Amino acid sequence: AQSVTQPDIHITVSEGASLELRCNYSYGATPYLFWYVQSPGQGLQLLLKYFSGDTLVQGIKGFEAEFKRSQSSFNLRKPSVHWSDAAEYFCAVGGSQGNLIFGKGTKLSVKP
Amino acid sequence: NAGVTQTPKFQVLKTGQSMTLQCAQDMNHEYMSWYRQDPGMGLRLIHYSVGAGITDQGEVPNGYNVSRSTTEDFPLRLLSAAPSQTSVYFCATSWTATDTQYFGPGTRLTVL
Repeated sequence: AQSVTQPDIHITVSEGASLELRCNYSYGATPYLFWYVQSPGQGLQLLLKYFSGDTLVQGIKGFEAEFKRSQSSFNLRKPSVHWSDAAEYFCAVGGSQGNLIFGKGTKLSVKP
Repeated sequence: NAGVTQTPKFQVLKTGQSMTLQCAQDMNHEYMSWYRQDPGMGLRLIHYSVGAGITDQGEVPNGYNVSRSTTEDFPLRLLSAAPSQTSVYFCATSWTATDTQYFGPGTRLTVL
């Protein structure tokens, strides 16, 4: 069955530090992979997506993610975190019904 | 161009009451879906539609009904609300089942 695992429930980083959020997926074929961000009380906004091609994907707000088939991973990175990046981040894989299968999310806190 | 709209933003129901959560989109997207978000659970698919007149069940369909009479609207009906349906509900739309999904702002529902 398709699934997504985000091992870290909560991460705290200092402003200006680098960030990596982990995501592992289980899917038989080449997956469609997504990262979404949710600010408190808001809906979800797409950060970036991977469908095929270059395994390093650039997104909005300075985020990038790398698809590693051998590790079944799609980790999200940012070289320098800003206080406004504090939010919850969701990794998702495209499911067989055309839906998104989400991980349980990683909450990011940013220390000044 | 309003994108994806959901009404109401907040709702409190008593056990056994019925209600309809509205979702509308003005992007002419064929694919629409409903998710519920619960703390620590990520988002889970309730029902989805690949076009007007076509709907199907997702991961957690029990207690919910949908219909799709137009491309623009995809209402979610709770027939007899239960406390277990207390959640935040998101509608999402996309051009196709595998395309980027756009999320509405959500409806926060409390069932007493």
